[in-house]
Amino acid sequence: TAGITQAPTSQILAAGRSMTLRCTQDMRHNAMYWYRQDLGLGLRLIHYSNTAGTTGKGEVPDGYSVSRANTDDFPLTLASAVPSQTSVYFCASSVAGGGTGELFFGEGSRLTVL
Amino acid sequence: GQNIDQPTEMTATEGAIVQINCTYQTSGFNGLFWYQQHAGEAPTFLSYNVLDGLEEKGRFSSFLSRSKGYSYLLLKELQMKDSASYLCAVRDGDYKLSFGAGTTVTVRA
Repeated sequence: TAGITQAPTSQILAAGRSMTLRCTQDMRHNAMYWYRQDLGLGLRLIHYSNTAGTTGKGEVPDGYSVSRANTDDFPLTLASAVPSQTSVYFCASSVAGGGTGELFFGEGSRLTVL
Repeated sequence: GQNIDQPTEMTATEGAIVQINCTYQTSGFNGLFWYQQHAGEAPTFLSYNVLDGLEEKGRFSSFLSRSKGYSYLLLKELQMKDSASYLCAVRDGDYKLSFGAGTTVTVRA
């Protein structure tokens, strides 16, 4: 079972360029999330989607956009990358609502903006 | 918003017990989670508490006191493979999950 697949695994990007991080899940989970992880700051929520067709802003949304055209895909776009967006990005999904609602994470995408 | 505090680092000896504390302040509460994250890997789910008390799962136990905004993760019979970061996370009233900065546990022989 693939679970959550993120691409690319790592990328070096010039400042000012645009980039889309891809995320696909095969668990039919309603909710999907994008987090960034930085040393000493932990995981911070960028954007989320509780169901296909809806998205919401997390703690650190500026400079990022997302879309949720269907249940499986949740791409994260950086329109004009800046060095402060250098980070490890994790996509996650969960069953929204009842149960433990635990998050299942992808393997992460390491982005370096120069 | 959320305010989640946990120690930055802890060191313990193989076979020993370590307790990782987590305090939190949230707008609404819908559960507390502990995740384990090995270096360079994705976080993986360890435990979930939504009611006060102790949840035991093998060598790992997690405790919650909602009135005190406090939880701990107890790791017993430490093994070298338990060296990792342990993340405390709180689900708020809107069902969004916020994470603490994580506690790096180093297990020494």
